[in-house]
Order: sequence, then structure tokens, then C-alpha cells
Amino acid sequence: NAGVMQNPRHLVRRRGQEARLRCSPMKGHSHVYWYRQLPEEGLKFMVYLQKENIIDESGMPKERFSAEFPKEGPSILRIQQVVRGDSAAYFCASSPPGQGAYEQYFGPGTRLTVT
Amino acid sequence: AQSVAQPEDQVNVAEGNPLTVKCTYSVSGNPYLFWYVQYPNRGLQFLLKYITGDNLVKGSYGFEAEFNKSQTSFHLKKPSALVSDSALYFCAVRASARGGADGLTFGKGTHLIIQP
Repeated sequence: NAGVMQNPRHLVRRRGQEARLRCSPMKGHSHVYWYRQLPEEGLKFMVYLQKENIIDESGMPKERFSAEFPKEGPSILRIQQVVRGDSAAYFCASSPPGQGAYEQYFGPGTRLTVT
Repeated sequence: AQSVAQPEDQVNVAEGNPLTVKCTYSVSGNPYLFWYVQYPNRGLQFLLKYITGDNLVKGSYGFEAEFNKSQTSFHLKKPSALVSDSALYFCAVRASARGGADGLTFGKGTHLIIQP
């Protein structure tokens, strides 16, 4: 059973460009979460999605950031007009469906560098 | 708002000695508590969780953690440290009252260094 997959693993963008980060959850998982990790800091929750629904986006910056989890295909975290402060590691996690207290399984992350 | 504190940025332990990585939390109602480990340039790996029941939780790689409600703590422990345990450890919490799945709140992490 493949784990959570993220691509690309490394992404370099110039200021003002768009960044698209992709996440495929574990097989059978229907909940997807995005987190951001800045250097020397813990992970900060950004958004929680289920198929075709954003459940909680309380951690998302109000501008330039968006996320989706379509009926088919991976979840996408999109950052428009990137700035240097967006440089970070972005982790996706997934968990099974239902209301249990499941742990989240993390992907290897996408390391975004804005030049 | 919920929060997690890991008071030590770094913990140094000699190989073979017991180790403790500290974690305290703040949450409304009953907590769900988690420990994760991160190796360099890798994602987080789940170690263990506390949901309810026995306060001592056993997890992967010989790690365990003790839930203490009165002290709002969930310290990670291992009786005998290995050099390969050297990594970055994160404690995380979410409120059970929110039900089902939910985003986790993480501490800033503790670097565990095991010296041969």
C-alpha cells in the first residue's frame, strides 16, 4: 500500500510566479490536510479537505493561497504570485474516512524555494 | 485556541540511557495527543497516540508516552536510547470535542541527539 505521495519534491519559483503542489493520499483515505513548515519551526495547519469540499481553511493565508481536492485526481495546493516568505516545506497528510480519532499519515513534503 | 509546548529545543542523551522528551498542551475539553518523528529531509512518521483509556501508551520503535491530565502533559519516553533515535520529535494535539478528523496543532519540535 503506497504511502502519501507528493510532487514535486523540490520546486523553485521566481517571485511573482505560481506554484502548484500536488498530493495523492493513501489508498482508501478521503481526508487530506496541508501543513507548512518554516525553518526551525513546527508544522502549521493550513487546510483540511475532503473530496470536493473544503472543511476547514482557518490556517490558510487570506490571499494568494488556495486548495482543492477534486473528485478525481490529487489534491492541489496553489500559491499565486509567490514571495520569498512563501519559501518553506509543504507537507500533505491523509487519514481514513469516518469520525474516528485516526492518526494522519504524512507525505515526504515539497520544498518550495522562491528566488 | 489549542497549543502545544515543547520546552526543550534539544535533548542530549548517551546511548543506552533512558530518554524523555517533554510536551505540554492546552485544549478545550479532552485531547487527542500524538507524537511524530522527522528525519532530515523526510516527512513525519507517526509514533503513537493517546485517545482514551490507559495513560501509558506504547508505540513504534520502543517508544512510549504517559498522559497526565492534571499536568496537561504527554512526555515521550524510551528506556534505552539508540543512536538511530537521533531525529526531530513533534508533539501534536487536537480537541476530541471537534469530532472526527481535524487539523493538528504541533509543537515546535525537539531535536533528540543520542551520543555513542
